[in-house]
Amino acid sequence: EVQLVQSGAELKKPGESLKISCKGSGYTFTSYWIGWVRQMPGKGLEWMGIIYPGDSDLRYSPSFRGQVTISADKSISTVYLQWSSLKASDTAMYYCARHVEVATISAFDIWGQGTMVTVSS
Amino acid sequence: DIVMTQSPDSLAVSLGERATINCKSSQSVLYSSNNKNYLAWYQQKPGQPPKLLIYWASTRESGVPDRFSGSGSGTDFTLTISSLQAEDVAVYYCQQYYSTPQIFGPGTKVDIK
Repeated sequence: EVQLVQSGAELKKPGESLKISCKGSGYTFTSYWIGWVRQMPGKGLEWMGIIYPGDSDLRYSPSFRGQVTISADKSISTVYLQWSSLKASDTAMYYCARHVEVATISAFDIWGQGTMVTVSS
Repeated sequence: DIVMTQSPDSLAVSLGERATINCKSSQSVLYSSNNKNYLAWYQQKPGQPPKLLIYWASTRESGVPDRFSGSGSGTDFTLTISSLQAEDVAVYYCQQYYSTPQIFGPGTKVDIK
């Protein structure tokens, strides 16, 4: 079964760092782009960026470039999203998702279950 | 960046009736070299991740009921639910993947009348 499994919910304080993960299984991990999508409470979907684990080619949304870092470790089929200094406004559900076509930037067909990040003092 | 708009913001349809959602992009998402529209539709139910319904504007994802269909080209697209079922209550998003950032539309909430 093709799936993406994300790390668990996080409760952090402003200024703290965080790295959440997304592990792929059931397919050739290095052959599909994977992205991150933010959903703030009660709001819509925001595309953050994508990475191609085969060569770590990266594309960021201008809205998130410099605010987060996306990376991949293909040896363990895992993609990461990290912050160096969290803000309260980073409180949201974060989804990872895989592109539907091999080696092609396309639509997201497989989604992780989501990681809720809460930033509060 | 390409801007995506959807209409209406919400709609309520009787069970068994047709629901139509519109999506418009600020520039064409039709790639001339392969004649494909880089447009997808997703369904999101409360407490769940989004689910891909349609990609390439009109290709139904495997396992998606055939009451869901996508149409349109260039800048104007439509998602149609031909006969609304109770389980279709959700928020529906369009997304362009012609260029990065691959912006989502603001969403359309579908309810039962």
